[in-house]
Order: sequence, then C-alpha cells, then structure tokens
Amino acid sequence: DAGVTQSPTHLIKTRGQQVTLRCSPKSGHDTVSWYQQALGQGPQFIFQYYEEEERQRGNFPDRFSGHQFPNYSSELNVNALLLGDSALYLCASSPEAGGAETQYFGPGTRLLVL
Amino acid sequence: AQSVTQLGSHVSVSEGALVLLRCNYSSSVPPYLFWYVQYPNQGLQLLLKYTSAATLVKGINGFEAEFKKSETSFHLTKPSAHMSDAAEYFCAVSGGFKTIFGAGTRLFVKA
Repeated sequence: DAGVTQSPTHLIKTRGQQVTLRCSPKSGHDTVSWYQQALGQGPQFIFQYYEEEERQRGNFPDRFSGHQFPNYSSELNVNALLLGDSALYLCASSPEAGGAETQYFGPGTRLLVL
Repeated sequence: AQSVTQLGSHVSVSEGALVLLRCNYSSSVPPYLFWYVQYPNQGLQLLLKYTSAATLVKGINGFEAEFKKSETSFHLTKPSAHMSDAAEYFCAVSGGFKTIFGAGTRLFVKA
C-alpha cells in the first residue's frame, strides 16, 4: 500500500513566479491537508480539502490556493512567489476530516525561491 | 483558539537515559493531542495520540505521554534513549479540522 506521495521532491523558482505542488493521498483517505514548514520551525497549517472543497484555512494569503480532484489527489498553487515562501511543503492525508484522525504525511516538496 | 508550546528547542541525553520532552497546550475545546517525529529529509511520523480515552498513551518505539488537563500538559517520555531516537519531535493539538504544531524539540543522544 503506497503511502502519501508528493511531487516534485525539490523545486527552484525565482521571485514572482508561480508554482504547483502535487499530492496523492494514502489509499482510502479522502481528506488532504497542506502545511508549510520553514527551516527550523514546526509545520504551519495552510488549508484542508475534503470532498473537493476547502474545509478550513490557516493564516496564509490568497496567493496560496489549492484544489482537490475527484480521486482525492490535491494540488497546492502559490502565485507571485516571495523569498519567504522558501520552505518544505508537506501534504498529509487522513480518512476523514475530523480532528481526531491520524494524519499521514508525505516526504514533502522542498521549494527554494531565489 | 489553540496553541502549543514546546519547552526547549534542543534536548541532549545520554544513551540509556530517560527522555523527557515537554509540551503545553491551549485549547478552547476538548483537545486531541499528538506527538510526531521527523527524521532528516523526511515527513512526519505519528508516535502517539490522545483522543479523550486513557490519559496515559503508549506509542511506538517505547514512547508514551500523559495527558494532564489541570496542567494543560502532554509531555513525551521514554525510559531509555537509543541512538536511533535522535530526531526532531513535534507536539500538536487539534480541535477541529485544523492542526497546530509546536516549534519542535531536537533530541540529541550521546553515546
């Protein structure tokens, strides 16, 4: 059983560009959450998708947007990249959207903005 | 509103010694609490979670944590540290669809 997969593993962009990160959830999971982990910090919640809708959002600007597909996979889009967007982006999936559910994390996409 | 505070960004122990990583939380609703471990260049792996059942929670790799409502704490312990325990540990709280993580504690294990 494949766990959570993310692509690409690494990415280098320049300021002002746009980026799309992809996530495939663990088999049987329908909920996907995205986190930003800056160097030396804990993961910060960006948003959660359930039934193709954004269920809840953290304190991130509208430059951060997402999408969930019918097969439950998800994309994170970041527009107008800033240097401060450089971070490890983690995707996590769970069997449902409730807070008690264990989230399974992918290995992350490391984004460097120059 | 929810928040998590991990006391000590770095903890160093000798192999075989007790591991104690501290976590205090704040939550306006009954919380769900988690401890995750992160090895270099990897995602997070769940160690254990508290979901209002037993207050003493046992997890993987010999770790356990005790939920103390009066102290709003959820400290992680392991009786005897192993070299393979060296990693970053994150405490997290969830009261709905959003999970809030602490800043993390890096555990060093000395031979």
